[in-house]
Amino acid sequence: AQKVTQAQTEISVVEKEDVTLDCVYETRDTTYYLFWYKQPPSGELVFLIRRNSFDEQNEISGRYSWNFQKSTSSFNFTITASQVVDSAVYFCALSDPHQGGSEKLVFGKGTKLTVNP
Amino acid sequence: DSGVTQTPKHLITATGQRVTLRCSPRSGDLSVYWYQQSLDQGLQFLIQYYNGEERAKGNILERFSAQQFPDLHSELNLSSLELGDSALYFCASSVGGSITDTQYFGPGTRLTVL
Repeated sequence: AQKVTQAQTEISVVEKEDVTLDCVYETRDTTYYLFWYKQPPSGELVFLIRRNSFDEQNEISGRYSWNFQKSTSSFNFTITASQVVDSAVYFCALSDPHQGGSEKLVFGKGTKLTVNP
Repeated sequence: DSGVTQTPKHLITATGQRVTLRCSPRSGDLSVYWYQQSLDQGLQFLIQYYNGEERAKGNILERFSAQQFPDLHSELNLSSLELGDSALYFCASSVGGSITDTQYFGPGTRLTVL
């Protein structure tokens, strides 16, 4: 069965520090997708990124970067020069295919990031 | 703003009651997913509909049911409510329902069962 582990329950940093959120996953599928979502204090889930299992290139989007390593089944997320607005719970998720080609997401427990001024 | 709308935002009810949560997907999206977020279980997939038909079922209790209407909005019905059903219920939508489609989430409905 698919499983996502986010070992860091809570992280607290000071503004401008870099921070890395870890995500380790388990799957027997050869084709799968990994996701990161952000849940700010307001509660909604905001999509950040989707990567497929065949693309191991790291991705950078502004202050955000993602490191996908199949060899260690990890998909880590780094925020560079963190800001107070980055304070949120971050979820890593893995696609879990169903028959008929549908998908559901399996989420990790989330990492609560607090960025202090 | 993801384009997915959910009503109501908050719902407070008593044990044994029945409630209906509503979700309108993003324009053009055919697939709707329901998730439950609770402190002890985390975020869990409940059920998916695609163009009016049930596509996949997750950890959904028998007391819960859902449907997707011809206009593609969806409703999640929760009955015989228990204290443990208190949670944040999210709806998500995607263009299709396949592995290549990203799910966009609504703001959620916070259900409190007293």
